Amino acid sequence: DAEITQSPRHKITETGRQVTLACHQTWNHNNMFWYRQDLGHGLRLIHYSYGVQDTNKGEVSDGYSVSRSNTEDLPLTLESAASSQTSVYFCASSESLANNEQFFGPGTRLTVL
Amino acid sequence: RKEVEQDPGPFNVPEGATVAFNCTYSNSASQSFFWYRQDCRKEPKLLMSVYSSGNEDGRFTAQLNRASQYISLLIRDSKLSDSATYLCVVNVGGSQGNLIFGKGTKLSVKP
Repeated sequence: DAEITQSPRHKITETGRQVTLACHQTWNHNNMFWYRQDLGHGLRLIHYSYGVQDTNKGEVSDGYSVSRSNTEDLPLTLESAASSQTSVYFCASSESLANNEQFFGPGTRLTVL
Repeated sequence: RKEVEQDPGPFNVPEGATVAFNCTYSNSASQSFFWYRQDCRKEPKLLMSVYSSGNEDGRFTAQLNRASQYISLLIRDSKLSDSATYLCVVNVGGSQGNLIFGKGTKLSVKP
């Protein structure tokens, strides 16, 4: 069955370190997204991609970067982790139409000490 | 004004009850609307899309009022398994990168 996976599921790191969160989908979807979810906020979009070599900034992109070298993967990199980036991170993918469902990965719980 | 607003709850209801959630959105150009369900410490999953004519899926009914910029979700005959957080989601820009998520409404169904 097609799926979307994230790794690691839990990560503890220190302030200033570079961290990369992996997202892999086997749906063959063109669209992929990274969100963060924090108490008191809805899901907020960090970066997204509509296809290979395409990346776009979302609402809360500062301090994050992504790259899309193939259809299946959209890794999220925190260049220099900050305590404010402690959060739960969800990756999602979808087919191209605007009203299509987004399928979410299981999430990565990141703690920055 | 926040883009998508929901009553955070929690709504505590007995099994078998009917419960309704409301959601308002601020962008009148919003084009598509959804309800997602999120269980505790899990990922969101699509519950249903919301159409202008209203739509029903079993015990769940979604309504859209474009004039009032208002979306609702009605759950009839609540089950214990309906306990979750319900997220109102609005597409404000016509592409998948323009989804705005509400903070969610928490529902707890008690025996």
